[in-house]
Amino acid sequence: EVQLVESGGGLVQPGGSLRLSCAASGFTFSSYWMHWVRQAPGKGLVWVSRINSDGSSITYADSVKGRFTISRDNAKNTLYLQMNSLRAEDTAVYYCARLGEYTYGHPPGFDYWGQGTLVTVSS
Amino acid sequence: DIQMTQSPSSLSASVGDRVTITCRASQSISSYLSWYQQKPGKAPKVLMYAASSLQSGVPSRFSGSASGTDFTLTISSLQPEDFATYYCQQSYSTPLTFGGGTKVEIK
Repeated sequence: EVQLVESGGGLVQPGGSLRLSCAASGFTFSSYWMHWVRQAPGKGLVWVSRINSDGSSITYADSVKGRFTISRDNAKNTLYLQMNSLRAEDTAVYYCARLGEYTYGHPPGFDYWGQGTLVTVSS
Repeated sequence: DIQMTQSPSSLSASVGDRVTITCRASQSISSYLSWYQQKPGKAPKVLMYAASSLQSGVPSRFSGSASGTDFTLTISSLQPEDFATYYCQQSYSTPLTFGGGTKVEIK
């Protein structure tokens, strides 16, 4: 069974740092692109960052570029999001999500999501 | 950035109704469009990918279609478990972007 389990969220002061983890199981983690998506309380979904299967290609949303760092450890089947210089507007539930596989040339969606971890930035 | 304009933002419907949700992309995204369902306090769940492909395990009352930059999610006969918020998402180019969501409520 595919599982993605996030951890590391919590309350942090503005300007602080936090590292989120996403432990993957039930599939060959090293074969999949992984993403972080966040959702502020009562708001919609916002894409944050992605990393390819071997970690050689990384992309960020402009809102987090230079402050957040995505990484992965394929030996540990774990995805990370290092968040520095946190702001109140970074308050959200953070989800890790797996990008599915192309089937018959059809572009996939996010076929598995974690349960989310809440990050609250407040003094 | 590609903007995804989703409508309506909310709707009220009854069990058994046919429901249609629309998403318009600000530029061509080919078929790089997915639909997600999210219930309160839960992670999103993918319903459709590649605009019109049904994700494995999703009931066949859900369907998707595309016409140019306009995409549609249709629920043919609304069931009690379908009351939720629905999002479209383009994966054609980064930053990946979501529509604003459509909340489907009980009439």
